[in-house]
Amino acid sequence: AQSVSQHNHHVILSEAASLELGCNYSYGGTVNLFWYVQYPGQHLQLLLKYFSGDPLVKGIKGFEAEFIKSKFSFNLRKPSVQWSDTAEYFCAPRGADKLIFGTGTRLQVFP
Amino acid sequence: EAEVAQSPRYKITEKSQAVAFWCDPISGHATLYWYRQILGQGPELLVQFQDESVVDDSQLPKDRFSAERLKGVDSTLKIQPAELGDSAMYLCASSHSTGANVLTFGAGSRLTVL
Repeated sequence: AQSVSQHNHHVILSEAASLELGCNYSYGGTVNLFWYVQYPGQHLQLLLKYFSGDPLVKGIKGFEAEFIKSKFSFNLRKPSVQWSDTAEYFCAPRGADKLIFGTGTRLQVFP
Repeated sequence: EAEVAQSPRYKITEKSQAVAFWCDPISGHATLYWYRQILGQGPELLVQFQDESVVDDSQLPKDRFSAERLKGVDSTLKIQPAELGDSAMYLCASSHSTGANVLTFGAGSRLTVL
């Protein structure tokens, strides 16, 4: 069965701090990996995606994620967060045409 | 930019009543999804359509929930009767097809059952 785990439920940072959100998934076959973000009062939207190739992928607003196949991980990173990054972040692996979501990490960034 | 339309945005109902949500996907998107997001949790897939056919409804509580996409375009999700535990955000999403495609989400319909 397919599953996903996000390690951090709530993260509080000051502006300019570095961010890393952990995501581990479980699926035996080929998997596509996504991070979605939900800003306060807005739709869920795509932050970045990995299908194949370079395991380091870049997304919008300076975010990046690294796919480590041996660790079944797809951690999200940003070197320097901004107040506007305050949002909820969801890791979402897709295997066998089924996209499942982690429980989410709520990020609060203070000026 | 094309959007996934959902209505109503908010619905308050009493338990045992019927409730329905509507979704209009992005034009040309063959695949449509209904997700339920309970506060503090990630979205959970309820049902997935490919055109007018259901391809996955394994997590849909079929005793009270039903979903249809009769002409392969817009879709309706119904709950009858509603229960207190159904209070959640109901999200609709669409994509060009299954496989390695990005889902575009609507704003969601927030249901409160009293």
